Amino acid sequence: GQQVMQIPQYQHVQEGEDFTTYCNSSTTLSNIQWYKQRPGGHPVFLIQLVKSGEVKKQKRLTFQFGEAKKNSSLHITATQTTDVGTYFCAGLGTDSWGKFQFGAGTQVVVTP
Amino acid sequence: DVKVTQSSRYLVKRTGEKVFLECVQDMDHENMFWYRQDPGLGLRLIYFSYDVKMKEKGDIPEGYSVSREKKERFSLILESASTNQTSMYLCASSYVPGVLDGYTFGSGTRLTVV
Repeated sequence: GQQVMQIPQYQHVQEGEDFTTYCNSSTTLSNIQWYKQRPGGHPVFLIQLVKSGEVKKQKRLTFQFGEAKKNSSLHITATQTTDVGTYFCAGLGTDSWGKFQFGAGTQVVVTP
Repeated sequence: DVKVTQSSRYLVKRTGEKVFLECVQDMDHENMFWYRQDPGLGLRLIYFSYDVKMKEKGDIPEGYSVSREKKERFSLILESASTNQTSMYLCASSYVPGVLDGYTFGSGTRLTVV
């Protein structure tokens, strides 16, 4: 079945630095979504990517969908303490009606 | 401004008990989901429903059942709770997946089975 893998599992970042987290699918995806879960909170939808090679930006966050629609990345510039949390990607397979497959998440810790 | 409400934030149950986790959404979403979240494993889908009285198994349905008698309510049932079902349970809802916004999650129920 479809599997979605995220790397790294943990990311320690100095405040002000940039970092990237990656999401890879074993199968071609229709869509990919990204969520953020703050410590003690629940996942909150950030963005959805649909087109091959699509790039979307939200302030300091840049999301990219790969050309083959099998991978995605989230790049955060000038990390702030408010970026702390776990970032999940979720992929919708081409034959997976209704079910996004979530990755295990990247837990981000920011050091002031 | 609460849109997906889970009935309990924390729950402690004994092994063998029948446990009901309730989820209500007020967004008129067609689809509702139950996930469990465990450290290092991310979100694993237990069951989902795309319409009233309709249900589909997710990746880990064993030991669970669900009920959706009304569009706004989706219940997760642990028929006979076991310690390996100690986890964070998250309910989510959405419109037709992938068309509009993503899932809206509830605040979660942390279930401990002793």
